[in-house]
Amino acid sequence: AQSVSQHNHHVILSEAASLELGCNYSYGGTVNLFWYVQYPGQHLQLLLKYFSGDPLVKGIKGFEAEFIKSKFSFNLRKPSVQWSDTAEYFCAVNAPGAGSYQLTFGKGTKLSVIP
Amino acid sequence: DVKVTQSSRYLVKRTGEKVFLECVQDMDHENMFWYRQDPGLGLRLIYFSYDVKMKEKGDIPEGYSVSREKKERFSLILESASTNQTSMYLCASSFAGLAERAGELFFGEGSRLTVL
Repeated sequence: AQSVSQHNHHVILSEAASLELGCNYSYGGTVNLFWYVQYPGQHLQLLLKYFSGDPLVKGIKGFEAEFIKSKFSFNLRKPSVQWSDTAEYFCAVNAPGAGSYQLTFGKGTKLSVIP
Repeated sequence: DVKVTQSSRYLVKRTGEKVFLECVQDMDHENMFWYRQDPGLGLRLIYFSYDVKMKEKGDIPEGYSVSREKKERFSLILESASTNQTSMYLCASSFAGLAERAGELFFGEGSRLTVL
């Protein structure tokens, strides 16, 4: 079974600082990788995903993530955060080759951006 | 616009009561899921369903059951609620047709259950 580890529980940044949230997964086969975001009071929504091809994936609102297969990592980055990026971020993995419809989530990282 | 609707945003129940949480999606998705979300624990899968009347246990099915009689509706049932089931419950759905879409979940707004 796959598992996901997110390194930081809570990250506090000032506006315009750069962001990198770590995510590592454990699964030896082909994976789809995701970052989901939950803004305060809102439902979880997809931020970006990796399926195949270019390991550098761009998502909404200027976010990007890089899949490094050798490190089993899928870190989320943004060069300059805004106050509106305050949210909880969840990394997730799906193993379609295992016939799985399931998504396994990490424990989440809360991002607080100070104006 | 894609929509997953959970019937109750907030519920307060007493220990031992039977609780029904309902979820409806309007996207004709094959897959539906129930997760619970707890601070510091992230999202944990309770049950999922890939077709009408089909169900599979997730990571934490104990104390829960589910029902899927129609494609658009997936219900979570707590037969006898306990205080450790106080949590936020999230319903989600996804399209099953393409491997590249596997894992793209659409979530409802959540049902916050408090068991006293």
